[in-house]
Amino acid sequence: KAGVTQTPRYLIKTRGQQVTLSCSPISGHRSVSWYQQTPGQGLQFLFEYFSETQRNKGNFPGRFSGRQFSNSRSEMNVSTLELGDSALYLCASSPGASGTREQFFGPGTRLTVL
Amino acid sequence: GIQVEQSPPDLILQEGANSTLRCNFSDSVNNLQWFHQNPWGQLINLFYIPSGTKQNGRLSATTVATERYSLLYISSSQTTDSGVYFCAVATNFNKFYFGSGTKLNVKP
Repeated sequence: KAGVTQTPRYLIKTRGQQVTLSCSPISGHRSVSWYQQTPGQGLQFLFEYFSETQRNKGNFPGRFSGRQFSNSRSEMNVSTLELGDSALYLCASSPGASGTREQFFGPGTRLTVL
Repeated sequence: GIQVEQSPPDLILQEGANSTLRCNFSDSVNNLQWFHQNPWGQLINLFYIPSGTKQNGRLSATTVATERYSLLYISSSQTTDSGVYFCAVATNFNKFYFGSGTKLNVKP
């Protein structure tokens, strides 16, 4: 079974631009969660989608948004990028809604904002 | 939210040594996982262990849910064990909370 895939793996953007990251979960998994990891703040939860509905949301500004498609693939979008958005963005998939089953992580997208 | 504390924050070991990593959490949980983050940033699943004891090769884990802690044991450590170990907890239908990790450095 293929694991969680994320594209792109690396991305360089400038302040003010927007970016879209993609996550394809493990086949059959319906939940996708997104996390931001920075050296100073550690791993922070962004949001979780289950069956195309956002179920949980972390404490991030509205510039961070996401969606999930009918095939469970998910995208997250960050608009008006700031230097502080430079981070490793990880997505995780799970067969059940968040917290109910084991979650599996993708390799991450490393975003650098200049 | 749930507070997750991992200790120690840093650990340096000589190859072949054993170690115990601890994860304390502030509330009852239904889900607990241990991960190893490799140098490229990927989180590798080690254990899904809401309660009880599990073993996988040189690694084992124990969660005592009633006392709100989990332990990860690494025996006969190898240099490839180096990296950051994270504990994550959640209650049903709610988000995961991560600890700040234990950074392990195994020296040859």
